[in-house]
Amino acid sequence: AQKITQTQPGMFVQEKEAVTLDCTYDTSDPSYGLFWYKQPSSGEMIFLIYQGSYDQQNATEGRYSLNFQKARKSANLVISASQLGDSAMYFCATYGSSNTGKLIFGQGTTLQVKP
Amino acid sequence: DSGVTQTPKHLITATGQRVTLRCSPRSGDLSVYWYQQSLDQGLQFLIQYYNGEERAKGNILERFSAQQFPDLHSELNLSSLELGDSALYFCASSVEGTIDGYTFGSGTRLTVV
Repeated sequence: AQKITQTQPGMFVQEKEAVTLDCTYDTSDPSYGLFWYKQPSSGEMIFLIYQGSYDQQNATEGRYSLNFQKARKSANLVISASQLGDSAMYFCATYGSSNTGKLIFGQGTTLQVKP
Repeated sequence: DSGVTQTPKHLITATGQRVTLRCSPRSGDLSVYWYQQSLDQGLQFLIQYYNGEERAKGNILERFSAQQFPDLHSELNLSSLELGDSALYFCASSVEGTIDGYTFGSGTRLTVV
């Protein structure tokens, strides 16, 4: 079985600073992927970034980067130069090769960006 | 617009009633996934269909059922509704039941009163 753990229920960051949201995972699949999604107060799930277990380099998408440490089973999201619009709930999720495409989500981290 | 269309966006109904949530996947996507997001359970996978057939089942209650039609749209039926069924229900779709092009709809917010 796969499991995602997000240990930070809530985080604060000052505008323009960087912030790291933690995610640890547990999986027995030899091949898997890790996702980060953003959910603003309006409710939609916005895809941010993806990392495959065999990818050699950490994924980056604009201000988002994924700090992937396979040995530690962690996939932390780093948001650089935080903006007020980054205030939202953030979910880490995993997908495994045996899972037919279903995603297993963590409990989420609420991020508030202070002006 | 993600390309995955969910209707209705909001639904308020009484306990004991039955409702149907609808999902139209992105053009070309064969697989549809349903998720439930509630305050106490978080985001949970309910069920997956691929090209009309059920492929995977998660924590879906017996009072809930789903199907995928020949035109690939999917419906999630929730019956004998309870207060605890109040949640945000998401549909997602992908090309062939993998992560390729995995896209979420904007969700249906169900309130049971």
